[in-house]
Amino acid sequence: AIRMTQSPSSFSASTGDRVTITCRASQGISSYLAWYQQKPGKAPKLLIYAASTLQSGVPSRFSGSGSGTDFTLTISCLQSEDFATYYCQQYYSYPITFGQGTRLEIK
Amino acid sequence: EVQLVESGGGLVQPGRSLRLSCAASGFTFDDYAMHWVRQAPGKGLEWVSGISWNSGSIGYADSVKGRFTISRDNAKNSLYLQMNSLRAEDTALYYCAKSPGDLDAFDIWGQGTMVTVSS
Repeated sequence: AIRMTQSPSSFSASTGDRVTITCRASQGISSYLAWYQQKPGKAPKLLIYAASTLQSGVPSRFSGSGSGTDFTLTISCLQSEDFATYYCQQYYSYPITFGQGTRLEIK
Repeated sequence: EVQLVESGGGLVQPGRSLRLSCAASGFTFDDYAMHWVRQAPGKGLEWVSGISWNSGSIGYADSVKGRFTISRDNAKNSLYLQMNSLRAEDTALYYCAKSPGDLDAFDIWGQGTMVTVSS
C-alpha cells in the first residue's frame, strides 16, 4: 500500500497567517491526490482534487500543488472557520490511503 | 440536494456480523463509484472499500479483506457493507462517500453511522 505522510501533525497559527501543509507519498502517484478538511463532529469536505484543482464552492484562499511524491496545501490568509484537521488522500491505486492528518489550531 | 444517509450501525459482540446501508438521493446513483471510509474515535480516516458504478471493480483495505463485502443495488440507489467476524478494532464511525470514478476523489460524504464492537 502507498503510505501518505503529512507534516506537521499539528501546529498553531493566527488568523491572517499563510500556512502550508505538506504530504509525501511513499511512491509516485502522479497528480492523483486530494485534500479534505474535517471539523469536529462533521464529515470530511473535499477541498482540492487532482493535486491542484479547487472543488466547486471552496474559497480561493485554498490552493494545492505538487506531483509525483511531494504535495502541498496552502491557505493564503487564515480565517477563523479554517481551524480544522486536514487530510491528504491518494487515489492512484487501491488500496486508497489517507495521510494521518494535520490539526490546525488557533494560536 | 445531493445526500447520502448511512444506517445499520450499533453495538455488536466480537465475532458477530453487521450490515451497513447507505441511501443515496439527489444524483444519478449509477453514474458514480461509491466507498466506505471509517474513523475510529479520536483517530484519522481509513478507507475501507470501494465499488465502481457497475460493481465491476471492487477494492478492500487489507485490514478488512476476507471479512467485509461491499455491494450496491442501483435500482434502490443503495450501497451496502456486510461486515463479518467483527473485531474490537473495527469500532469506528463509518462514512459512505461518492466519487466520479472508482479511483477518484470523494466529493460528497454522508454523516456516518457508528459501529461499536464490544462484549
